[in-house]
Amino acid sequence: EPEVTQTPSHQVTQMGQEVILRCVPISNHLYFYWYRQILGQKVEFLVSFYNNEISEKSEIFDDQFSVERPDGSNFTLKIRSTKLEDSAMYFCASSEPMWQTEAFFGQGTRLTVV
Amino acid sequence: AQSVTQPDIHITVSEGASLELRCNYSYGATPYLFWYVQSPGQGLQLLLKYFSGDTLVQGIKGFEAEFKRSQSSFNLRKPSVHWSDAAEYFCAVDRGSTLGRLYFGRGTQLTVWP
Repeated sequence: EPEVTQTPSHQVTQMGQEVILRCVPISNHLYFYWYRQILGQKVEFLVSFYNNEISEKSEIFDDQFSVERPDGSNFTLKIRSTKLEDSAMYFCASSEPMWQTEAFFGQGTRLTVV
Repeated sequence: AQSVTQPDIHITVSEGASLELRCNYSYGATPYLFWYVQSPGQGLQLLLKYFSGDTLVQGIKGFEAEFKRSQSSFNLRKPSVHWSDAAEYFCAVDRGSTLGRLYFGRGTQLTVWP
């Protein structure tokens, strides 16, 4: 069964460093998303991406964050100058280009900022 | 503002007992509704979804959910819980666009006693 793949599964970084979280969405999907879950809190939407541009972003997704689809298979989330409060589980998701469809989630990347 | 409420943070049931996890949403129209499950170290797996039509939907692993418009609820049920059902369960709402931003509840942690 096709699945969304995220790498790495766990990333530890020092405060102020840049990190790139990588995702390989399901191959025929055209909508891509990033969500995050701070420990003990809700899963929160960060950004959606379609046709090589951001479709919607939440108030969390400030200038510190950026997304990119550098090639035909990868979808990345870059966090510049990480802060302690960026520590969270980051989920990538993708969905088909059709009405009434569900998002498929990856297993997540646990980001720890020290 | 979108709001999804899962009033039970933690539920404990005995194996073989029935289960009901509650979910309420606040949104003017009928949204798309989802239940996801997250096992330890795993991503978010879709259990079931509601877009329209029959208000009782069947999902994987023997789960079902009923949409009640009058109560703005989408409760998840299972007649007989198995030990492997122990996980965290998330209710999520999509306002109905093709670029579906999901709003998640806080999650309900299910513990199953043998």
